[in-house]
Amino acid sequence: EAGVTQSPTHLIKTRGQQATLRCSPISGHTSVYWYQQALGLGLQFLLWYDEGEERNRGNFPPRFSGRQFPNYSSELNVNALELEDSALYLCASSLAGKGNYGYTFGSGTRLTVV
Amino acid sequence: DAKTTQPTSMDCAEGRAANLPCNHSTISGNEYVYWYRQIHSQGPQYIIHGLKNNETNEMASLIITEDRKSSTLILPHATLRDTAVYYCIVSPWGSARQLTFGSGTQLTVLP
Repeated sequence: EAGVTQSPTHLIKTRGQQATLRCSPISGHTSVYWYQQALGLGLQFLLWYDEGEERNRGNFPPRFSGRQFPNYSSELNVNALELEDSALYLCASSLAGKGNYGYTFGSGTRLTVV
Repeated sequence: DAKTTQPTSMDCAEGRAANLPCNHSTISGNEYVYWYRQIHSQGPQYIIHGLKNNETNEMASLIITEDRKSSTLILPHATLRDTAVYYCIVSPWGSARQLTFGSGTQLTVLP
């Protein structure tokens, strides 16, 4: 069974540009969660999608947005990039609430803003 | 979700048991204790979870006190590859809400 896959692995952008990060959940998982982890810091919750809908978002500005597609894959968009957006962005999927709990994380996308 | 408190860091000798404590004094009756770990720059990995009984799997054992206000994750024979940040999280079973990760415990296994 394929795990959670994220692409790209690394992304370098210039301040002010837009970044798009992608996540494919484990087959059958309908919930996708996005987290930001800046260097040396903990995981900060960004967004949660389930069944195509945004269910919750963390304390991040509106320039962080995303969506979930009918196949449950997800996209995270970061507009007007700032230097402090440089971080590891992690995606996790789960069947939470449907009898099987526990997140499976991808390996992340390392975003560097220069 | 209930808040957890963990030591910032711990060391353990290779081959010895690593015992990682977690306090969750405000845990509710329907909240489970979950443990994840994150090896440097990788995505966190699920380890184990439990409600009130002790649990064991191929990776670790989880001991939850009778009053459920604290728990201990035990890695029976720590190896260098167990060096990671270990997160203790409490959350209701079946809740689809996002898990909230605290600062965790940096476990360093020493040769």
